[in-house]
Order: sequence, then C-alpha cells, then structure tokens
Amino acid sequence: SQKIEQNSEALNIQEGKTATLTCNYTNYSPAYLQWYRQDPGRGPVFLLLIRENEKEKRKERLKVTFDTTLKQSLFHITASQPADSATYLCALQYDNYGQNFVFGPGTRLSVLP
Amino acid sequence: NAGVMQNPRHLVRRRGQEARLRCSPMKGHSHVYWYRQLPEEGLKFMVYLQKENIIDESGMPKERFSAEFPKEGPSILRIQQVVRGDSAAYFCASSRRGRDGYTFGSGTRLTVV
Repeated sequence: SQKIEQNSEALNIQEGKTATLTCNYTNYSPAYLQWYRQDPGRGPVFLLLIRENEKEKRKERLKVTFDTTLKQSLFHITASQPADSATYLCALQYDNYGQNFVFGPGTRLSVLP
Repeated sequence: NAGVMQNPRHLVRRRGQEARLRCSPMKGHSHVYWYRQLPEEGLKFMVYLQKENIIDESGMPKERFSAEFPKEGPSILRIQQVVRGDSAAYFCASSRRGRDGYTFGSGTRLTVV
C-alpha cells in the first residue's frame, strides 16, 4: 500500500531563515500533490497544488517542488516568520477521477523569534 | 460566501448512543469528503460523496458508521452505538471538482464518555 512520510515530526528554525519540509512517498507517483497548513484546533487550509508534470510552483513566500524520480516533494517557506508556525501536511491524489487525497502525517514547524 | 460549515463543534456522547455530524459544503461545491483525525495522528480518509451518491467509502469502518449527502440539506456522518475509540476530530471538506484543493470545515470534536 502507498506510504507517505514527512521529514520529521517537528522542525525548529530561526525567524528569517528558509524552512524546508519534505514529503516522500513509495510506489507509484500521484497525479496531484497538495500542501496544507493546519493550526491547533482548526481544519487544514489549502496552500498549493502541483501536478506530476510540473517541477515547481510558487506563491508569495512559498515554493513547492515535485520530483517523480526521487518520489519526493519539497515545500519551502522563505523569510519565515513566527506566524508561519503550524503543522504542514502533504496530500497525494492518484489518476482516478474523483479519488480522494491521501494525507501524510504532517510536520510541526516552529519559527523562533 | 460562507466556507464549509460543520456542526456541532463539540459533541459529547455516552457509550452506546448515536452521534450525528453535519456538514454543509461551500456554495457551488458538489464533492464532499469526511476525514477523521486522532490526537497526534494524521488525517484518515473515511468517505467521499457527491449529491445522493457515495463515490468511495473505502475508509469507513464496516459497522456502525454511515454517511449520506441528500439532494437537499447537509451531508451527515452517523455513528451508531459509539465507543470510546470513536473519540476524535471529524473533518468535512468540499471541492468544486474532484481534483481541486479542498476547503475544510473547522471540524466536530466527538468525545465518548
């Protein structure tokens, strides 16, 4: 069965630095990969979607890459701020119409002032 | 334009009672997904519905759990004869199309005592 791993349970970085979060998967590559942010006690919030034929996607201070050879996606937050502290989830969807997204366990990011 | 509305936010049930969780998707969204999140764990897919149809229920426990999305009204996740292990946060998400980013509700936190 498909397995999704996110680099670590928790990541601490200093304000102003770039945070890099990793999402690795086994077996076959998804058609779509998404990243979400989740704050304690709240539902996840959609950030970015990248398709299997796209290498990179950007949105303001966020950048996502997708390497189907390595079976990995990287999620970068540049010029990080304490307000970026949250849990970040990657989610994969395969090429069957309407199939649900499968979520990774998440990485809890803490940006220290 | 209201987001995904879930109610109640908190629900306490005694063992053996029934729990009904409601979800109204965003306006214009016809795809609804239910996920369960246990403390310190990731989101686990339960069921995917479109109006009046269950598309994928591969994540639903075989017994006691059911879901519907009627032509009129909200989607309902129903848990009969609840047990302590059902205590979790239940999130509903909706999308316009199956491959879009999901919009999540704030969740219903079910506590079984």
